Amino acid sequence: DAKTTQPPSMDCAEGRAANLPCNHSTISGNEYVYWYRQIHSQGPQYIIHGLKNNETNEMASLIITEDRKSSTLILPHATLRDTAVYYCIVRRPGTGNQFYFGTGTSLTVIP
Amino acid sequence: NAGVMQNPRHLVRRRGQEARLRCSPMKGHSHVYWYRQLPEEGLKFMVYLQKENIIDESGMPKERFSAEFPKEGPSILRIQQVVRGDSAAYFCASSPPLAGGPQETQYFGPGTRLLVL
Repeated sequence: DAKTTQPPSMDCAEGRAANLPCNHSTISGNEYVYWYRQIHSQGPQYIIHGLKNNETNEMASLIITEDRKSSTLILPHATLRDTAVYYCIVRRPGTGNQFYFGTGTSLTVIP
Repeated sequence: NAGVMQNPRHLVRRRGQEARLRCSPMKGHSHVYWYRQLPEEGLKFMVYLQKENIIDESGMPKERFSAEFPKEGPSILRIQQVVRGDSAAYFCASSPPLAGGPQETQYFGPGTRLLVL
């Protein structure tokens, strides 16, 4: 699976959009981009995933560049409860075994 | 639909004792994964199981650790003769039967915090 690079930490003002970047320059054509978050040592929570089209759900939006070498997770209106470590993971479908969690981005939402 | 359940949530053991961690997957999920998270680190994959089969144990320590997912009942992660270095959070995840694509999303439980004294 391709390696990802994320900034170690970010701050965001409450109510503003949080934009979390992820670089995955070695991504292969059939590898998906997944985002999870971990709030204060709870179990990781699935947020969203995509292949090449932008995706949106009730939690967030995922913007994947046309060359697929990077992506951005957008939390449209950050709240204090969004303070967490966010993990960007690139994974091939059908491997069926594991997600590789790196160090992620520690997002702090500031009142 | 209940999520992934793990118990106990906290477990304290003395060095040399055995630890048993249990995981009940989400309803309809037949695949279970165990991860370990050491303090201040990311999650590390340990083992992937289907009912009655170990599919991938490439992340399991070679000694003292074992896992099973019987036909009936929860998946069990067993650590024999625990040492202080085993102190960590152990997370279980489950996913539906594989078909490629979105079905492979893993859903995580709340974890078991193991403390070895």
